Amino acid sequence: NAGVTQTPKFQVLKTGQSMTLQCAQDMNHEYMSWYRQDPGMGLRLIHYSVGAGITDQGEVPNGYNVSRSTTEDFPLRLLSAAPSQTSVYFCASTGQNTEAFFGQGTRLTVV
Amino acid sequence: AQSVTQPDIHITVSEGASLELRCNYSYGATPYLFWYVQSPGQGLQLLLKYFSGDTLVQGIKGFEAEFKRSQSSFNLRKPSVHWSDAAEYFCAVGALSGGYQKVTFGIGTKLQVIP
Repeated sequence: NAGVTQTPKFQVLKTGQSMTLQCAQDMNHEYMSWYRQDPGMGLRLIHYSVGAGITDQGEVPNGYNVSRSTTEDFPLRLLSAAPSQTSVYFCASTGQNTEAFFGQGTRLTVV
Repeated sequence: AQSVTQPDIHITVSEGASLELRCNYSYGATPYLFWYVQSPGQGLQLLLKYFSGDTLVQGIKGFEAEFKRSQSSFNLRKPSVHWSDAAEYFCAVGALSGGYQKVTFGIGTKLQVIP
């Protein structure tokens, strides 16, 4: 079972560039989410989705966009990268009565 | 909205000593509770979870946790720590809302194990 697949694993961007972090799950979970992890701050929720076509903001949504056209995929878009978005990003997929399953993370550096 | 508090940011224990990592949550109903572990540069691995039933939960790698409703706590324990347990540990609470589960994490406790 692949579980949750995130790509890329590492990325360096210049300030102002855009990019999309990909996330796919094969567990048919309705709920998917994006977190960012920064030292001393744990995991903070950026955006989440409760199903195809439905997304909502989490704790730290500014500077990020998401969409959910299929159950499997939940990409995260940075429209104009800023150094403050340097972080490790995790995608998670959760069933109604399961734990959150995480991807391996994307380490993003914005210079 | 739910929240999680991990009061200890950094803990150091000797190899072979016992370990207890504290976690307190805030949620109006019975929560789903989790402990995850993260080794440096790695993703998050589930150690154990509590959904219902027996309040003492056994997990992987010899860890256990006890749900205490009266104290809103879900502390993680291990009787004898190994050097390989050095990692960061995250407590999380899941709350059902509108048929889906929203998970909130604590800020983590970094465990250092000394020989």
